[in-house]
Amino acid sequence: AQKVTQAQTEISVVEKEDVTLDCVYETRDTTYYLFWYKQPPSGELVFLIRRNSFDEQNEISGRYSWNFQKSTSSFNFTITASQVVDSAVYFCALSGPSYDKVIFGPGTSLSVIP
Amino acid sequence: GAVVSQHPSRVICKSGTSVKIECRSLDFQATTMFWYRQFPKQSLMLMATSNEGSKATYEQGVEKDKFLINHASLTLSTLTVTSAHPEDSSFYICSANSAGGFSSTDTQYFGPGTRLTVL
Repeated sequence: AQKVTQAQTEISVVEKEDVTLDCVYETRDTTYYLFWYKQPPSGELVFLIRRNSFDEQNEISGRYSWNFQKSTSSFNFTITASQVVDSAVYFCALSGPSYDKVIFGPGTSLSVIP
Repeated sequence: GAVVSQHPSRVICKSGTSVKIECRSLDFQATTMFWYRQFPKQSLMLMATSNEGSKATYEQGVEKDKFLINHASLTLSTLTVTSAHPEDSSFYICSANSAGGFSSTDTQYFGPGTRLTVL
């Protein structure tokens, strides 16, 4: 069975602080994909990143960075120098090796306070 | 990049009526589309997988007679909420995989969502 856990339900940080959103996943597949999505108040999902299970390289994109640790089944997301516009719900998600369904974690609501 | 549209974006209906939501892949062919439901302050929950030309596969606990899914073409899937009730009020989101599946840069494409309110 596949499962995604995001232990942090809500996080509040002051602008310019760094923040890390945790994600732990469970799967029996040897090939799988991990995702992070941002959902602003408008509701539309914004794709942030996709990683496959064979690529454990950390990735940096501007103020965003991701740490994929297969040994601990974690795929954490860090926002550096947070901004008010980063306030949103962030979902970590998992899919299997084929072109199949995406399982979402419960989400972490991030509030960045000016 | 690939785009998935949904129509309508918002709908308000009376209890007992049926509502149809369309999901279209605008610039690619989608052999598989997915329907999710999201209640306020909750995560997205997969309702069903829709394959072009065949019956949809529903997740456990989702009533297939209440949530009718039709995937008649490679660019269109529809979700009909039959005899809607207030508890069906939710945010419905569709997604689509391209016919070639995940490429090295592509991913599953999500629509903007449809907010259904049943009075």
